[in-house]
Amino acid sequence: SQQGEEDPQALSIQEGENATMNCSYKTSINNLQWYRQNSGRGLVHLILIRSNEREKHSGRLRVTLDTSKKSSSLLITASRAADTASYFCATPKGSGDKLTFGTGTRLAVRP
Amino acid sequence: GAVVSQHPSWVICKSGTSVKIECRSLDFQATTMFWYRQFPKQSLMLMATSNEGSKATYEQGVEKDKFLINHASLTLSTLTVTSAHPEDSSFYICSAKGGTYSGNTIYFGEGSWLTVV
Repeated sequence: SQQGEEDPQALSIQEGENATMNCSYKTSINNLQWYRQNSGRGLVHLILIRSNEREKHSGRLRVTLDTSKKSSSLLITASRAADTASYFCATPKGSGDKLTFGTGTRLAVRP
Repeated sequence: GAVVSQHPSWVICKSGTSVKIECRSLDFQATTMFWYRQFPKQSLMLMATSNEGSKATYEQGVEKDKFLINHASLTLSTLTVTSAHPEDSSFYICSAKGGTYSGNTIYFGEGSWLTVV
């Protein structure tokens, strides 16, 4: 399977704390994306980082990419209860726009 | 922004029957759409690529005769689960790529819950 691995599988933190999720993948990529999924809902695109970028910010989100280690991390700062969701990394599958998703991290932010 | 709509949001069907799920791009044309399947608390697995005007491309291990995909127009792809069985119960999500006007972003639908009883 080419599916990426994410850790931790589940994370529970207090509101206001930071949450860090890690993603490892297996093949060379030209970009990596992070998505959020509320329980039983569709996916919301959070951020895309290209292979020539090492770090990218969007609001309270910070994504890093280390292509030498084939890994990426997503940091959510000053978490809120509304951040409770599952977070997935996704890498291109072959050519085109097919995606391979990581195993996901279920984040619970306690108010 | 671009929106992808799925219908129905949830459906219950009896074993042996067929059920159709629609995926529509609401404000952009999508020559390619993708169908994913997700079991509870698991990740998304790509099932097939839906191509407008041509046959779908299925991923390894996905039965094309069981999961019929029709991309009849630039804004509509349908997934029909034929002769459904309880093990087909799952969350089905489609995605579509917006055009250059939408920044070539991939948008996902809200998903469709299928329960086969």
